[in-house]
Amino acid sequence: DTGVSQDPRHKITKRGQNVTFRCDPISEHNRLYWYRQTLGQGPEFLTYFQNEAQLEKSRLLSDRFSAERPKGSFSTLEIQRTEQGDSAMYLCASSPGTGRVETQYFGPGTRLLVL
Amino acid sequence: AQSVTQPDIHITVSEGASLELRCNYSYGATPYLFWYVQSPGQGLQLLLKYFSGDTLVQGIKGFEAEFKRSQSSFNLRKPSVHWSDAAEYFCAVGAQGNTPLVFGKGTRLSVIA
Repeated sequence: DTGVSQDPRHKITKRGQNVTFRCDPISEHNRLYWYRQTLGQGPEFLTYFQNEAQLEKSRLLSDRFSAERPKGSFSTLEIQRTEQGDSAMYLCASSPGTGRVETQYFGPGTRLLVL
Repeated sequence: AQSVTQPDIHITVSEGASLELRCNYSYGATPYLFWYVQSPGQGLQLLLKYFSGDTLVQGIKGFEAEFKRSQSSFNLRKPSVHWSDAAEYFCAVGAQGNTPLVFGKGTRLSVIA
């Protein structure tokens, strides 16, 4: 069973540039989550999907951030006009989405550095 | 709203010694509790979880945790720590309906010889 994969693993960009990250969940997992983790902190929720429907967005997700899951499989997270404060690890997780309570399985993360 | 407190930012233990990492949660309904471990630069790996039933749960790598509703705690324990256990440990709480998890700030574990 292939785990959650994320691409790229590392991204360095200059302030003001746009970046896009991709997450491939575990096969047949309907629910997909995005979290952000800054240094010395635990992961914080950004947004999540049930199939292609975006169910909730955190107030952390400013209008520069957009996430999609167009076919209910992989998801992309785009950050426009990056700022130095966007530097963080972006984690993706997935779960089956069919049970009452489920375990979320995490990918390796994408580490973003904004110069 | 849920919240999680991990009171210890950093703990150092000797290899072979016992370990207890503390976790306190705040949630008005039935909590669903998780412990994850994160090695440097890596994602999170599930150690164990509590959904219901026996309040003492066993996980991978010899870890266990005990849910104590009266103390709103879910402390992680290991009887004998190995050098490879050095990592960051996160406690998290979830709710029914597979809503996003709320994590604590983590406890960094160092293991010395």
